[in-house]
Amino acid sequence: GDSVTQMEGPVTLSEEAFLTINCTYTATGYPSLFWYVQYPGEGLQLLLKATKADDKGSNKGFEATYRKETTSFHLEKGSVQVSDSAVYFCALRESRGSTLGRLYFGRGTQLTVWP
Amino acid sequence: DAGVTQSPTHLIKTRGQQVTLRCSPKSGHDTVSWYQQALGQGPQFIFQYYEEEERQRGNFPDRFSGHQFPNYSSELNVNALLLGDSALYLCASSLRGSGGYTFGSGTRLTVV
Repeated sequence: GDSVTQMEGPVTLSEEAFLTINCTYTATGYPSLFWYVQYPGEGLQLLLKATKADDKGSNKGFEATYRKETTSFHLEKGSVQVSDSAVYFCALRESRGSTLGRLYFGRGTQLTVWP
Repeated sequence: DAGVTQSPTHLIKTRGQQVTLRCSPKSGHDTVSWYQQALGQGPQFIFQYYEEEERQRGNFPDRFSGHQFPNYSSELNVNALLLGDSALYLCASSLRGSGGYTFGSGTRLTVV
């Protein structure tokens, strides 16, 4: 079945450091891929998405490219800020015709950025 | 424009009891999905409701049931609570066939 494997944390960085969080997936069909962010005590916020191979999703300085050949969707940011401290989840949405398919999530990666 | 609203925000229940959680979808959305997020884990899909019917279900026992009302709002019911049911329960709404999911802030359920 569909699944997501995500780099485990925690990840601790200094402000302005480069961030990579690895994510690989297993899926049948042509899933859409997402990164969600969760701040303490809150629900999930969509950070970025890509719906087909070679698409690049980007938002707030974060980027991820849908790589079908390596079944990966790694999250990157060139210069992190203290405010980026949160838990990041990689997810895939199964392709399911006209109905939005369920989301499969990775276990999450805790990012802490120090000033 | 209100997003997804969940109530209550926190809840403490005793083993064996029953609980009902509520969700109001984002305006214009007609589909509601529920997820369980255990501490330190990613969310796990429970089920999805559209047109007042359960359309998809994840790997959860029958103790977990739901309902969707004509105004698209939804309830999640859990019977015979176990300690392992302690988690953050997230509701996500969407519009069938388009767009993406909008998540609520969740209900934190603690079973003692």
